[in-house]
Amino acid sequence: NAGVTQTPKFQVLKTGQSMTLQCAQDMNHEYMSWYRQDPGMGLRLIHYSVGAGITDQGEVPNGYNVSRSTTEDFPLRLLSAAPSQTSVYFCASSYLGSEYQETQYFGPGTRLLVL
Amino acid sequence: RKEVEQDPGPFNVPEGATVAFNCTYSNSASQSFFWYRQDCRKEPKLLMSVYSSGNEDGRFTAQLNRASQYISLLIRDSKLSDSATYLCVVNQGITGGGNKLTFGTGTQLKVEL
Repeated sequence: NAGVTQTPKFQVLKTGQSMTLQCAQDMNHEYMSWYRQDPGMGLRLIHYSVGAGITDQGEVPNGYNVSRSTTEDFPLRLLSAAPSQTSVYFCASSYLGSEYQETQYFGPGTRLLVL
Repeated sequence: RKEVEQDPGPFNVPEGATVAFNCTYSNSASQSFFWYRQDCRKEPKLLMSVYSSGNEDGRFTAQLNRASQYISLLIRDSKLSDSATYLCVVNQGITGGGNKLTFGTGTQLKVEL
């Protein structure tokens, strides 16, 4: 049981380049999400999904796209990288609990530097 | 006003000390509350959920005051291994299921010999 995996661990991009951050989980979780973490800002929600074929925007969605074709995978696409997207990106997953008490499991993160 | 506010610290305490972290949240409709722990350059991991009645897990005690919109975490007999950043997390829920988690910026704890 690998939990939540993310690739790559590190990436350097030039302004304007595009790339996809990969996220996969093997726990059969319905809910998946992407966060970015910046100094002094806390983790901020980019996009989330409550199941295959269903995605929605979080707090800071601009410049990012997501899709959820399977339960396991939830890739995050940067359309045209900007220096403001330099950050640490975390993918997380959980069950959809009726009591909102479900534990979020985070991947190890992707450190992205945009020059 | 931030939705979830924490004192960023750092809190530098000697081994064996008791330390308390506080957190306030602005949305009175928030559904559930958590403390996550994040080690340097690692992902956040759930430390404990926070219940209205208060709950304890070994050396860790969490309290929730819904009237004051205040959450606390108490660590007794602190260990070197407790050094980390502690994130206060509030879940406002999403219509139809799912989580709208709002994270505090974290409080850094350094336990020293």
